[in-house]
Formats: sequence, structure tokens, C-alpha cells
Amino acid sequence: QQQVKQSPQSLIVQKGGISIINCAYENTAFDYFPWYQQFPGKGPALLIAIRPDVSEKKEGRFTISFNKSAKQFSLHIMDSQPGDSATYFCAAREKTSGSRLTFGEGTQLTVNP
Amino acid sequence: NAGVTQTPKFQVLKTGQSMTLQCAQDMNHEYMSWYRQDPGMGLRLIHYSVGAGITDQGEVPNGYNVSRSTTEDFPLRLLSAAPSQTSVYFCASSYGGVESTEAFFGQGTRLTVV
Repeated sequence: QQQVKQSPQSLIVQKGGISIINCAYENTAFDYFPWYQQFPGKGPALLIAIRPDVSEKKEGRFTISFNKSAKQFSLHIMDSQPGDSATYFCAAREKTSGSRLTFGEGTQLTVNP
Repeated sequence: NAGVTQTPKFQVLKTGQSMTLQCAQDMNHEYMSWYRQDPGMGLRLIHYSVGAGITDQGEVPNGYNVSRSTTEDFPLRLLSAAPSQTSVYFCASSYGGVESTEAFFGQGTRLTVV
């Protein structure tokens, strides 16, 4: 079963707009929630990550919002740019699993100029 | 600093053939893993290793074998390729342990089984 569910599958945003990608999880043992960005032909690369003891983390135009009670977290991309066009994956890690990551299904973001 | 290097980048196999996907990292990471990426399914863990000589199964291990004889290398073997194994394969490494965070990915191997 998919332990981390991600939506939407695809997203089209105009330049300057806000992109929002949502993820939900079931396993309450998850203790680390990263977002990965993947460009065509490349491997995923860490974008931003959050731990469940904080509700929000911001790095530049990228913000993670985390709702522990609802078991949901989301990525917000402010002032979206064409260069942000990529596939985004949310993920989660169970503390006792070391570095094992469980990924969401992915969101293909297109930012139109 | 090369990071995580995967070879080959592309491969076409016939059903029933075997092959090994190579993965090497030069960051002295303890933890290495193999994922497959399929449309609409994200990345799914095939096998992983927490150190030399130690491997374990992930979510989708059937049809794949791994070994970890050195810290640097973590090859993935397809014993008898099937069309269902057509996918993009990614190797990743990280420091390992409960405080480990960032996983570094290779550029992937696109495998087609005909």
C-alpha cells in the first residue's frame, strides 16, 4: 500500500504564481519529511526537509507546511519560475529504519512563462 | 567529487537475459539503496544496505539480487529480465544511522526489457 500519498499528479502554474503540492501519510513512526526535486534525465535531489517538531520551514521561495495531527504536509513554491518546472517527490523516513525513504507518487510541475 | 555514479545510463535487454547495474559512491557513505521509478508510482525501494556485507530487501525485491562487498560499490543484478522490469533505476547513498538525512542519487539507468 502507498504509505505516502501525493497530489496532484500534475500541476500547471503561471510564472509568478504559487505552486502547492500536498502529501499525506499513515505511519506515525515517520520522523523526517524531505522533498526531492527531479529534472528530466537526472536523479532526484534534496530540495527542503522538515521534522515533525516544527509546523513550517522556509528556504527562499520554498516552504514546507506540516500538520502533525492531520498527518499531512505540503510544499509551497512562491513566485514560481519556469526553471522550477520539474517533478517533485515528497518522502518520509521512519526513524528506526536508518535512511530508508518512502516516496509519494510524484507531481510534475510546469511553470508557464 | 563524483558523488554517486551509475553505469550504464541506458540498456536494452531481451527477456530472460541477465545483467548487473553498477553503482559506486565516493563519499564514504554507509547506507546505499536501489530504487525503481515508474510513472505514477514514485520511487520504490528494491534493496538496501547499511554497510559492507549487510543487505536487506525493500518494497519490491523480487527478481533482483544485491551484494555489498565494499563501502563504495553496490551492484544490482537482474537474474532473468522480464518486461515488468522495464523502468528507470536509481542508486542512492547517505551517511546512514538514525540521524542521517540527505540521500544522494545517481543519474539513473534507463532499462528496457523487450
